[in-house]
Amino acid sequence: DAGVIQSPRHEVTEMGQEVTLRCKPISGHDYLFWYRQTMMRGLELLIYFNNNVPIDDSGMPEDRFSAKMPNASFSTLKIQPSEPRDSAVYFCASSPRVETQYFGPGTRLLVL
Amino acid sequence: TQLLEQSPQFLSIQEGENLTVYCNSSSVFSSLQWYRQEPGEGPVLLVTVVTGGEVKKLKRLTFQFGDARKDSSLHITAAQPGDTGLYLCAGEASYGKLTFGQGTILTVHP
Repeated sequence: DAGVIQSPRHEVTEMGQEVTLRCKPISGHDYLFWYRQTMMRGLELLIYFNNNVPIDDSGMPEDRFSAKMPNASFSTLKIQPSEPRDSAVYFCASSPRVETQYFGPGTRLLVL
Repeated sequence: TQLLEQSPQFLSIQEGENLTVYCNSSSVFSSLQWYRQEPGEGPVLLVTVVTGGEVKKLKRLTFQFGDARKDSSLHITAAQPGDTGLYLCAGEASYGKLTFGQGTILTVHP
């Protein structure tokens, strides 16, 4: 079975540009999570969805960040405009229930 | 905000040695998970503990959840180079939200 799929795996962009990260969860999983990992702050939950509906977005840093889940097999995390401090590894995870999360390989984002 | 403190942050040992990683909080968690992450990959779930005092074993790894469900430990017996990685604990304090510790970077030298 394919695990969580994320694209792109690496993204380098310039400050002010729009960045879109994509995630395909494991089929049948009702929950989808977006995390950000940095050396300074560790792994932080940004937002999570249940049955395509955003449940908690309190971890989204600011209005420059937005996430959507138009259907059960696809989600996006968008940063517009991007800033150097957004540089991090962004993970998507899916799960059949909250306490059993399967992480994707991550997208390594560098904003210059 | 629920915080999870892991210790030690770094651990460098020789193959065959035993080690323990700790995860502590002042908050009560309904469940606690341990993950292992290798460079360039996402965290992989090792175990979930839900009952105070629970002990789970996974081959050479032993996980314990504190009686008060505020802390946990991971003990590795006879560590091997393949155990090298970042170990993360994560607690579920409110439904749907996992709070992660900062992690313990383990290096096992042959």
